[in-house]
Amino acid sequence: GQNIDQPTEMTATEGAIVQINCTYQTSGFNGLFWYQQHAGEAPTFLSYNVLDGLEEKGRFSSFLSRSKGYSYLLLKELQMKDSASYLCAVLDSNYQLIWGAGTKLIIKP
Amino acid sequence: IAGITQAPTSQILAAGRRMTLRCTQDMRHNAMYWYRQDLGLGLRLIHYSNTAGTTGKGEVPDGYSVSRANTDDFPLTLASAVPSQTSVYFCASSESTSGNYNEQFFGPGTRLTVL
Repeated sequence: GQNIDQPTEMTATEGAIVQINCTYQTSGFNGLFWYQQHAGEAPTFLSYNVLDGLEEKGRFSSFLSRSKGYSYLLLKELQMKDSASYLCAVLDSNYQLIWGAGTKLIIKP
Repeated sequence: IAGITQAPTSQILAAGRRMTLRCTQDMRHNAMYWYRQDLGLGLRLIHYSNTAGTTGKGEVPDGYSVSRANTDDFPLTLASAVPSQTSVYFCASSESTSGNYNEQFFGPGTRLTVL
């Protein structure tokens, strides 16, 4: 079966750095997405990785290792507005997105 | 409109009733999707459409139907609602299905309660 694993919840301090991990086992791989979802709102796109390595976009970076079936989202200089759920999703061989359950990130002052 | 809209925002429905959730996008995206999101579970794909005139079944299609008569609209119908269909429903669209063109844009969601 297809499976995406992420921690259920993480807590971090304002101004700090946090890394949210995602491991996956899917039928085929055509890329990995990270989305942010604030409570009561729709998911919004953060990043897309299809090749191994690190993609940096401002305070957010995303890393992919296809051989290990592993990705992480790195958030730097945390702000209170970063409190949200972070969703990892893999595009499988049928070009359908398989979603993880999401990681709820709590930022404390 | 800008982006993707859904209606209604929320609905309470008696079991056994028929209900259509509406979704419209103005980005001329080829692909559209319907997901349900339940606490503790990831987004689960109900139905999708890769292009106008075609539809396909996702992970949890039973009890739901869709149509894609044109590029912009993708309604989801519950023929006879059951309490297990209580959920938040998101409609999404993407330029296409391949690679980074699969970046999906989501509507604001419909919160449905079936009693």
